[in-house]
Amino acid sequence: DIVLTQSPASLAVSLGQRATISCRASESVDSYGNSFMHWYQQKPGQPPKLLIYRASNLESGIPARFSGSGSRTDFTLTINPVEADDVATYYCQQSNEDPYTFGGGTKLEIK
Amino acid sequence: EVQLQQSGAELVKPGASVKLSCTASGFNIKDTYMHWVKQRPEQGLEWIGRIDPANGNTKYDPKFQGKATITADTSSNTAYLQLSSLTSEDTAVYYCARNPITGGHFDYWGQGTTLTVSS
Repeated sequence: DIVLTQSPASLAVSLGQRATISCRASESVDSYGNSFMHWYQQKPGQPPKLLIYRASNLESGIPARFSGSGSRTDFTLTINPVEADDVATYYCQQSNEDPYTFGGGTKLEIK
Repeated sequence: EVQLQQSGAELVKPGASVKLSCTASGFNIKDTYMHWVKQRPEQGLEWIGRIDPANGNTKYDPKFQGKATITADTSSNTAYLQLSSLTSEDTAVYYCARNPITGGHFDYWGQGTTLTVSS
């Protein structure tokens, strides 16, 4: 199985500043010129919401403050600037290989 | 509007089985793959498996082989997750999610069904 390791497990960022979340895969999630890494936001009591798909594509309706980058085994989700509504847990997920796997999550708080 | 409506909360005794449903509207499930994801209290997300409703083909995480069975009824546009031989380890929120054919990401999710296994 592809293991996804997210860091940090939690972070506190001041309003208006940048938040950076890392996701490292135990093996490449690239195929056919695409990186099959995706990012989700989950707030308490709600299902996850898709933010970024295939590493860097912004899902429709998601603010441009969210961006994704990376390839092969190293990926980053950036939120800039952070707003109060961004308090949530963020997960990466790979779909390059069965079984699909998720990272352990990163909890974002406001400093 | 795309929606995934899941069945209500379940309280089930250990050793029993349960079948959860996920009814889609705004799209035809035959045009996508349908997945199920488990989330234990205060824990992360675990992929259970998926079904291609167009032909009934399924794929599971080996951890859930023998525990979970995913089916779909295209006439009612509904996907199902059956869980057997329930234990306290199965207590969790279960989500269904849609995956467009063009990628392995989950663009729409159900609201979740809370399953509690307790005597």
